[in-house]
Amino acid sequence: SQQGEEDPQALSIQEGENATMNCSYKTSINNLQWYRQNSGRGLVHLILIRSNEREKHSGRLRVTLDTSKKSSSLLITASRAADTASYFCATDARSSYKLIFGSGTRLLVRP
Amino acid sequence: EAGVTQSPTHLIKTRGQQATLRCSPISGHTSVYWYQQALGLGLQFLLWYDEGEERNRGNFPPRFSGRQFPNYSSELNVNALELEDSALYLCASSTRTSGRPYNEQFFGPGTRLTVL
Repeated sequence: SQQGEEDPQALSIQEGENATMNCSYKTSINNLQWYRQNSGRGLVHLILIRSNEREKHSGRLRVTLDTSKKSSSLLITASRAADTASYFCATDARSSYKLIFGSGTRLLVRP
Repeated sequence: EAGVTQSPTHLIKTRGQQATLRCSPISGHTSVYWYQQALGLGLQFLLWYDEGEERNRGNFPPRFSGRQFPNYSSELNVNALELEDSALYLCASSTRTSGRPYNEQFFGPGTRLTVL
């Protein structure tokens, strides 16, 4: 089964609002990454947070990691229509040599 | 700096045929990863190559194979195509640290394979 599961599956918000997506995983990890995918194209790397980090910022993005709960959240502040995309979390599990992606959250930002 | 490139953009094959997909990593990256993104199934890890060797593979049958060339570019071959092989195939590259894919992976635009 998937290592990472995103919640919600879909999210619709108004431009200017904040969007929060959550990711849960099952095993111990080295790091967790968030990616964005526009309309079935290639993925764009957003941010990487290591297992010994709790929070990380990049522009309008804020990522938190709670290893005790095996969960992460991605917050996009002051959303724009251009943020409309699918967002995936991906984990580098300590027990394997591969990056495992979650099922994704589809974000729609209405102008 | 050029990103990851993949060719072809689209590929249409019939059941039973073979498909070859190509990927060129970012200059300086030695690791290449292949993923399958089928409708409704999310992104599934296929293969990881580094320094010309296969380092790991996902839960796919042996008819999915590939290789990495001395210039670090890679090929994914899918033999005896089945209808359910229709998907977007994504290639990614990264640098490698301590034998693990610690670092962020940079993705190409993908090849959309349609099997009729």
